Amino acid sequence: EAGVVQSPRYKIIEKKQPVAFWCNPISGHNTLYWYRQNLGQGPELLIRYENEEAVDDSQLPKDRFSAERLKGVDSTLKIQPAELGDSAVYLCASRGNTEAFFGQGTRLTVV
Amino acid sequence: QKEVEQNSGPLSVPEGAIASLNCTYSDRGSQSFFWYRQYSGKSPELIMFIYSNGDKEDGRFTAQLNKASQYVSLLIRDSQPSDSATYLCAGLYQKVTFGTGTKLQVIP
Repeated sequence: EAGVVQSPRYKIIEKKQPVAFWCNPISGHNTLYWYRQNLGQGPELLIRYENEEAVDDSQLPKDRFSAERLKGVDSTLKIQPAELGDSAVYLCASRGNTEAFFGQGTRLTVV
Repeated sequence: QKEVEQNSGPLSVPEGAIASLNCTYSDRGSQSFFWYRQYSGKSPELIMFIYSNGDKEDGRFTAQLNKASQYVSLLIRDSQPSDSATYLCAGLYQKVTFGTGTKLQVIP
């Protein structure tokens, strides 16, 4: 069974440019998370979806970040415009009944 | 106060010893707890989860949960150099909340 798939793996962009990340969760997992992880820190939740509904986006910087999960399966996370401080690893995870599984992450570097 | 707290380490143990990793949490509503292992530059990998008080064993790993003390631990027996990584504790109450991780170094 395929795990959580994310793309791209790496992205380097100039500040003020837009960027988008894509996530395909494990089949059948209704819960999808986007996390951001800075070096030496644990993952921090940006947004949680239950099916297609964003049920917790309190930590999402809504002035520049947006996310969607059309049809309750794949999800995209967008940043526009990107800032230097957005450089981090963006992790997608999905959960069925109990444990959450992570994708490989997208390492974003804003220069 | 952070919802999930861990000592950042590094925790250094000799090869073959028992490594003990600890975690406390503040939200009594937390239902399940997870231990993830994260190698440098990689994404977190689930090792174990536990939701009942007591011990849960899986190979060389034992997770312990004490809900009254709001304490979770992970014991790694016969530690190997390949166990050297950052170990993330996480609690589940609607969302999965992570600690900052404890860096473990197993010295050959």
